[in-house]
Amino acid sequence: SAVISQKPSRDICQRGTSLTIQCQVDSQVTMMFWYRQQPGQSLTLIATANQGSEATYESGFVIDKFPISRPNLTFSTLTVSNMSPEDSSIYLCSVGSPSIGELFFGEGSRLTVL
Amino acid sequence: EDKVVQSPLSLVVHEGDTVTLNCSYEVTNFRSLLWYKQEKKAPTFLFMLTSSGIEKKSGRLSSILDKKELSSILNITATQTGDSAIYLCVGYDKNQFYFGTGTSLTVIP
Repeated sequence: SAVISQKPSRDICQRGTSLTIQCQVDSQVTMMFWYRQQPGQSLTLIATANQGSEATYESGFVIDKFPISRPNLTFSTLTVSNMSPEDSSIYLCSVGSPSIGELFFGEGSRLTVL
Repeated sequence: EDKVVQSPLSLVVHEGDTVTLNCSYEVTNFRSLLWYKQEKKAPTFLFMLTSSGIEKKSGRLSSILDKKELSSILNITATQTGDSAIYLCVGYDKNQFYFGTGTSLTVIP
């Protein structure tokens, strides 16, 4: 299994500002994902973070709003840009093991936008 | 379009009851099905199922996969208030994980 450290754990932000969430894994991983979970809903995939190249975004999510960096196989960041109250969610970093199909999650970042 | 559907969406039971949560999947290149429990923020892993008909068990929780019916169930016996959570079913096709809507379980003392 992988140990994933995600921070901040929670934050309260003002409308129009940006917040960067960090995800650190204790081992090198191939698959790294960013998910959003809005209140009362299940997880929605934002993007797959690719090491050394641009992230692959899902329908409805764009790089300008959610820029992602992945400089190496153990670290990634997700930025939520120009925030609005609709961005209030839990953001989760996760890593997958393609050979065995397991998925591990960071502790999550609870973001509240006022 | 690949998808995973769970039922019911929510469930309220009394302590001691037995519950069955359902998951059906349409994943083209299906490899495995995973169950997670989410209490606060991060989902915690419960089971991974790859073979049909083989029950996986952990304490009061058990799960089984039916590849013919493209479905899985998660059973919880003698429920406790600590079982109150959202239970997520996830299908995997080697490239992507497909999340179900989740079942919200509330166990009343």
